[in-house]
Amino acid sequence: AQSVTQLDSQVPVFEEAPVELRCNYSSSVSVYLFWYVQYPNQGLQLLLKYLSGSTLVKGINGFEAEFNKSQTSFHLRKPSVHISDTAEYFCAVRRQAGTALIFGKGTTLSVSS
Amino acid sequence: DVKVTQSSRYLVKRTGEKVFLECVQDMDHENMFWYRQDPGLGLRLIYFSYDVKMKEKGDIPEGYSVSREKKERFSLILESASTNQTSMYLCASSKMQVNTEAFFGQGTRLTVV
Repeated sequence: AQSVTQLDSQVPVFEEAPVELRCNYSSSVSVYLFWYVQYPNQGLQLLLKYLSGSTLVKGINGFEAEFNKSQTSFHLRKPSVHISDTAEYFCAVRRQAGTALIFGKGTTLSVSS
Repeated sequence: DVKVTQSSRYLVKRTGEKVFLECVQDMDHENMFWYRQDPGLGLRLIYFSYDVKMKEKGDIPEGYSVSREKKERFSLILESASTNQTSMYLCASSKMQVNTEAFFGQGTRLTVV
């Protein structure tokens, strides 16, 4: 069975600092990887996705993620965060057509001034 | 824009009541999903459907059932609500292809008293 592990449940950072949110997945076959963001009292919004090709994926709001097959990781990064980036971030994996996304437990990013 | 609409943002129900959570999508997606979100546990899949009248159990189907009579509508049913079903419920939809993301509704926060 595949699973997704988000290594940090909470990440506090100061505004304009860089941030990395870590995600590891377990699967012996090809997977498709996603990062979602959830702002308070809202649904989930797609940040970016890795399907194939370049291992560095750029998303919305200045976020990017790097797919590393040998380490089965898909870490999310931003070089300089803003207060408005405070939210919960979820990593997800999908392996087969017609199946559901499997989510990690989430990482709460708290940006302070 | 894809739109996934959940019928209620907030619901308060009594223990033992039969509860219906409704979800409608307007992009002709084959797949529809119900997730439950709890602090520290992330999103857990309750049920999903890949076609009309078709359904598959997710990780936590106990105490829930679903109905999909039309392609655009997917209902989650709590046969006899219990206090441990107090949670945020998120509906999502996606195309059948594996390399596509899921689109989420705004969520329904259900409180069972």
